[in-house]
Amino acid sequence: ETGVTQSPTHLIKTRGQQVTLRCSSQSGHNTVSWYQQALGQGPQFIFQYYREEENGRGNFPPRFSGLQFPNYSSELNVNALELDDSALYLCASSLVGSGGYTFGSGTRLTVV
Amino acid sequence: GQNIDQPTEMTATEGAIVQINCTYQTSGFNGLFWYQQHAGEAPTFLSYNVLDGLEEKGRFSSFLSRSKGYSYLLLKELQMKDSASYLCASPSGAGSYQLTFGKGTKLSVIP
Repeated sequence: ETGVTQSPTHLIKTRGQQVTLRCSSQSGHNTVSWYQQALGQGPQFIFQYYREEENGRGNFPPRFSGLQFPNYSSELNVNALELDDSALYLCASSLVGSGGYTFGSGTRLTVV
Repeated sequence: GQNIDQPTEMTATEGAIVQINCTYQTSGFNGLFWYQQHAGEAPTFLSYNVLDGLEEKGRFSSFLSRSKGYSYLLLKELQMKDSASYLCASPSGAGSYQLTFGKGTKLSVIP
């Protein structure tokens, strides 16, 4: 098992810019979820992808979007960055129906 | 919807036992997870309870009472490396794919 890997580990962007974060799922996992974790808070669910389609979304605006590729890797895109978007972004992969989630180490995004 | 509450911070002494509580209110219950998260690192899986009772895994145990909407994580023989945040989470959503997390309990283990 290779686990879940995310890139980059750290990123600094300017307000109004766009950012793309990447995630490689654990081998054998077919779903991927993205979470936003502000400092001192628990992770907040952004959305989940299964079979390359979004199949669940949390309370996040449309400027948060994603993709899942045939190899189960995934991207999170955020447009028109705001200062409040500064957070740790976590990717979690799972095998549908298994109930188990494996998290990556996250991307620390700072918006200035 | 889901609402999960846990204490913000706790401090305990090396070698001692600590219990971290979690209460939840859910529209449909699909089990309860505990994760450990060291600063700047990924949450790592500790336990998943679906049925009432205590499950023990080495120094860590987790308890669930569905009727009371209550769970706790019990850490025995505390070590300095146990200093971390402990996250309580429950699956929600129509397909139980979304994890709703509490804010996490930051545990500091002191000598």
